[in-house]
Order: sequence, then C-alpha cells, then structure tokens
Amino acid sequence: QSALTQPPSASGSPGQSVTISCTGTSSDVGGYNYVSWYQQHPGKAPKVMIYEVSKRPSGVPDRFSGSKSGNTASLTVSGLQAEDEADYYCTSYAGSNNLVFGGGTKLTVL
Amino acid sequence: QVQLRESGPGLVKPSQTLSLTCTVSGGSISSGAYYWSWIRQHPGKGLEWIGYIYFTGSTSYNPSLKSRVIISVDTSKNQFSLKLSSVTAADTAVYYCARDDLEDYYMDVWGRGTTVTVSS
Repeated sequence: QSALTQPPSASGSPGQSVTISCTGTSSDVGGYNYVSWYQQHPGKAPKVMIYEVSKRPSGVPDRFSGSKSGNTASLTVSGLQAEDEADYYCTSYAGSNNLVFGGGTKLTVL
Repeated sequence: QVQLRESGPGLVKPSQTLSLTCTVSGGSISSGAYYWSWIRQHPGKGLEWIGYIYFTGSTSYNPSLKSRVIISVDTSKNQFSLKLSSVTAADTAVYYCARDDLEDYYMDVWGRGTTVTVSS
C-alpha cells in the first residue's frame, strides 16, 4: 500500500479559509468512508480533528470540516487562527484491516 | 479518562529487537470497542501505521513491516506491546501507541510518544 498524497505545505491569513487535499485510490480513500484527519503541533502527539470523512469529535471547533469526492478527501479550516498552524495528516482505511497515512501538510498562518 | 503511556529502551543496537510497551490507564483494554495501535514517526517525517491488536489477540500489520513486527496484548496488566526485529538506523523514530475506534477506524487517544534511536 502506498502513502496517500498530500501537498507538503498550505498557508492562509488569519480569518481566511484553507483546504488541504488527500489523494488516494479506489482501494482506500475512494473505497471507504473511513477517512480521518489529525493535527500535530511540534513535539506533540497527533490529535484527531475529523473522522468518517466529515464527522467532528466533541471539542473540535466547527471551523474544521471534511469532505470527499472520488479518491480525494479534503480538510477545510475556516476562519484561520494562529493556533491552527500545525502539521495535518490524513489517514484512510485501506481494506484487509489496514490503515494508510498521508505524507502530511504543514499549514502556515501568515 | 483513558490515557496511554509508552515505555521501553530509548537506544537499540542494529540487528537487535526493539521492544516497547503501552500501558492503558483509566479504562480497560478488554472493553471490546477498540483496536490498540502502534504508529511511528521518523525524524522530521510523516506518520506510519505499524499495526494494531484487538484484546483477543487478533492482529493486523502494515504489509511493509509485517515480516519484522509482533504486537501482543496482556489484558491482566492492561498493556499491549510492540516487538520489531532486525532493526536498522531506518527504524529510528518516535513511536506512539494509540486507541483505534473499532467501527470508524480513527485513533482518538494517543500516548505522548517515545523516541527510539537505533545506533551502535
């Protein structure tokens, strides 16, 4: 299984919206609605922000939203805030009880 | 509130076996609603799923690591463990344990991570 493809970097100014893509195949992203997104600040453990493509765990601001079209999933952060600056990783179920991560995207708040 | 904590040697020699344990507190590893996962992160790089175990002992591993990985569970101690054999410098990473939702395949609780360096 190959890693999911994410852009290495993304950026936006405070208050703006930014979307991060996560491209896989019909064997992972396109085949299942089990895409999740994680936020990781430097030196910290990842934190789940979105699961099952578009669901937000309790406590995650509604500025974070997820979607999927075909083999590509997306994470949108609206109303960017300074604390949103972090690395973001997508992951997908890939069949046969396997999971695959994306390479990660560094989000910079300008 | 469930918490996970990784423990084990921070330095392993090449060709030896890396052994880590994750201790679960605040909840039972035998609850049946979760898989228990290991994930690693190479220095400055992205996350890599290693594998997971169910409390019954059923496992699933990343195909790229499958030949070298064993994940086991000790329900009496509320712990699960990772063994990675024949390590090289390429196995130097931060190793995380995490709780993985059984139905929705996402990791909702993570340990703080432990750094393992492979070096002679």
